[in-house]
Amino acid sequence: EIVLTQSPGTLSLSPGERATLSCRASQSVSGSYLAWYQQKPGQAPRLLIYAASIRATGIPDRFSGSASGTDFTLSISRLEPEDFAVYYCQQYGSSPPTYTFGQGTKLEIK
Amino acid sequence: QVQLQESGPGLVKPSGTLSLTCAVSGGSISSDDWWSWVRQPPGRGLEWIGEFHHSGSTNYNPSLKSRVTISIDKSKNQFSLKVSSVIAADTAVYYCARNSFYSIEYWGPGVLVTVSS
Repeated sequence: EIVLTQSPGTLSLSPGERATLSCRASQSVSGSYLAWYQQKPGQAPRLLIYAASIRATGIPDRFSGSASGTDFTLSISRLEPEDFAVYYCQQYGSSPPTYTFGQGTKLEIK
Repeated sequence: QVQLQESGPGLVKPSGTLSLTCAVSGGSISSDDWWSWVRQPPGRGLEWIGEFHHSGSTNYNPSLKSRVTISIDKSKNQFSLKVSSVIAADTAVYYCARNSFYSIEYWGPGVLVTVSS
C-alpha cells in the first residue's frame, strides 16, 4: 500500500506570497496517477491538478503541479485571499484499483 | 456540468446499516465513467470508499470491503452506498463523486452521517 505524506502540516503565509506544498509517496507513483485538491470549510474538495501537472477546468494558472521521482509539489505563485484552505494530494493505485489521499496541508493566513 | 446530490438518514444506530443515495444530473451513470463514494470524519482527512462502473464492475477500499456495497439504479440515474455493522468511527461526511483521469472531478456537497444510539 502506497502512503502519501504531505508537508508541512500547516503553512502560514501572506497574500501575494508564493506557496510550495509537498507530497511524498512511499513507493514509485506514476505521475499520471497523482492529483491535488483544495477544500474549504464546509465544502466538498475541488480538483485542482490531475496527472501531476495538468490544471483542471477553470483552475487559475497561478496553481501549478510538478513531479520528481516520488516527490510531488503543488505551487501557488501569488496567494489570493481565497486560496487559504486545506490541500490534499491523492494517488491512484492500479493493483487493486484504489484511491489514497495524503493527510492534508492547511494553508493559513499569516 | 455534472451535479451530484447525496441523501439519506443523518443518524444511524451502532451495528446498523448506513444507506445513502446519490442523484446524478447533467450526466448519465450509464456513461463510460467511474463513480465513487468518499468519506471524511469530522476534522479529519479524506478516505475513498469505493467505485463502480455501469458495466457492473466495482472496486472497494480493502479496509472497508467486507462491509460496503455500491449499487446503481439506471432508471433513476442514481447510485447507492450501504455500509453494514457501523460503529462510531463510521461517523463522517459522505460524498458521492465522478472520477476522471485517475482523479475525482465532480463532487456532491456531502451529507453528514452520525453513528450513535
